[in-house]
Amino acid sequence: NAGVTQTPKFRVLKTGQSMTLLCAQDMNHEYMYWYRQDPGMGLRLIHYSVGEGTTAKGEVPDGYNVSRLKKQNFLLGLESAAPSQTSVYFCASRTHLMNTEAFFGQGTRLTVV
Amino acid sequence: AQTVTQSQPEMSVQEAETVTLSCTYDTSESDYYLFWYKQPPSRQMILVIRQEAYKQQNATENRFSVNFQKAAKSFSLKISDSQLGDAAMYFCAYRSAVAGANSKLTFGKGITLSVRP
Repeated sequence: NAGVTQTPKFRVLKTGQSMTLLCAQDMNHEYMYWYRQDPGMGLRLIHYSVGEGTTAKGEVPDGYNVSRLKKQNFLLGLESAAPSQTSVYFCASRTHLMNTEAFFGQGTRLTVV
Repeated sequence: AQTVTQSQPEMSVQEAETVTLSCTYDTSESDYYLFWYKQPPSRQMILVIRQEAYKQQNATENRFSVNFQKAAKSFSLKISDSQLGDAAMYFCAYRSAVAGANSKLTFGKGITLSVRP
């Protein structure tokens, strides 16, 4: 049981380049999330999805786009990377049931130079 | 909007001793969930313990227990018999139980716990 898998685990981008982070879960979860983790800031929600074909903005959505074309996948896109987007990105998923926990991927360390 | 505050950025504990990590939160809701997550150097986020606000009994998981004070909006984590493997960053998190808004976890800034041998 793989759980939540993020691809890639590490990436270095040049300013202005674009990339897509992939999150895949095999638990048939309805809800999926993208967070970023920065030193001293905790985890902040970028975007989330409550079901296939739906997405919503979180706390820090600027500079990012997302898509949920398939229930098991949640993609995070950076169209024009900036140094301020250097961070560790986490994907998480959980069921729609109230009393359930979120499961996290292993994180992606992104550096924008 | 809900906020979660972890005011201590770092703490240290002697192996085999007990340590308490503090967390406060702000909400106008009466029904919600609170969590403590552990993040070791591997970066993996691991759920340590969970508390439902409607339950008065404090949650316990082996060496980990919480002191949930709903009126004070306080949710501290106690680690007993600390082990070297407990060294990690710990995050407190809040999630609403209100339908339609219950999907988002709000995290505190985290606290780095070191364990002295």
